[in-house]
Amino acid sequence: LAKTTQPISMDSYEGQEVNITCSHNNIATNDYITWYQQFPSQGPRFIIQGYKTKVTNEVASLFIPADRKSSTLSLPRVSLSDTAVYYCLGRDEADSWGKFQFGAGTQVVVTP
Amino acid sequence: DAGVIQSPRHEVTEMGQEVTLRCKPISGHDYLFWYRQTMMRGLELLIYFNNNVPIDDSGMPEDRFSAKMPNASFSTLKIQPSEPRDSAVYFCASSSGTDSYEQYFGPGTRLTVT
Repeated sequence: LAKTTQPISMDSYEGQEVNITCSHNNIATNDYITWYQQFPSQGPRFIIQGYKTKVTNEVASLFIPADRKSSTLSLPRVSLSDTAVYYCLGRDEADSWGKFQFGAGTQVVVTP
Repeated sequence: DAGVIQSPRHEVTEMGQEVTLRCKPISGHDYLFWYRQTMMRGLELLIYFNNNVPIDDSGMPEDRFSAKMPNASFSTLKIQPSEPRDSAVYFCASSSGTDSYEQYFGPGTRLTVT
């Protein structure tokens, strides 16, 4: 199984930046780190993926240090609609299945 | 594109009955995934296909579960016989082989077995 570890929950106020860090100590050398977002009663939605350094798109930024043992998803200026569960996916070096295994995710709650 | 299509959206059945869930992936995608989500176990990968061929079904909970993909535009997940503990939301997702990390999920089928 993919061995990624994330905080179970995070609370934030509107307009703040939210940073979610995922640990993946034995990430496969050649694989991406991928993040998904899930709203209640919907399927997960791809947000962003990266291999190293920093990736940014219209939704979020992803920071990956050189050792790739962790990654941080950054949501700038969150709004109430960013309340969702966020999943980090990263394949363990010895596990071809892990790329598609979702962990428990991080429940982010944004309040006014 | 209409996205991944799943049917039915809701299914209520009695224990012991056969249940068939259906999925139409996005046209051109060559990977198809079946997931199950419950409060207790979270989002679990059951099986995935590549070019209609099952690649790994080690996530399938037991022999009561089976999945098929007879062609590139259709897949089924069957539970026979169904049990109350099978109650969950079942998601189908598809992706392109050139970027299999980015999966597109369907709306899910909420299954209730009484």
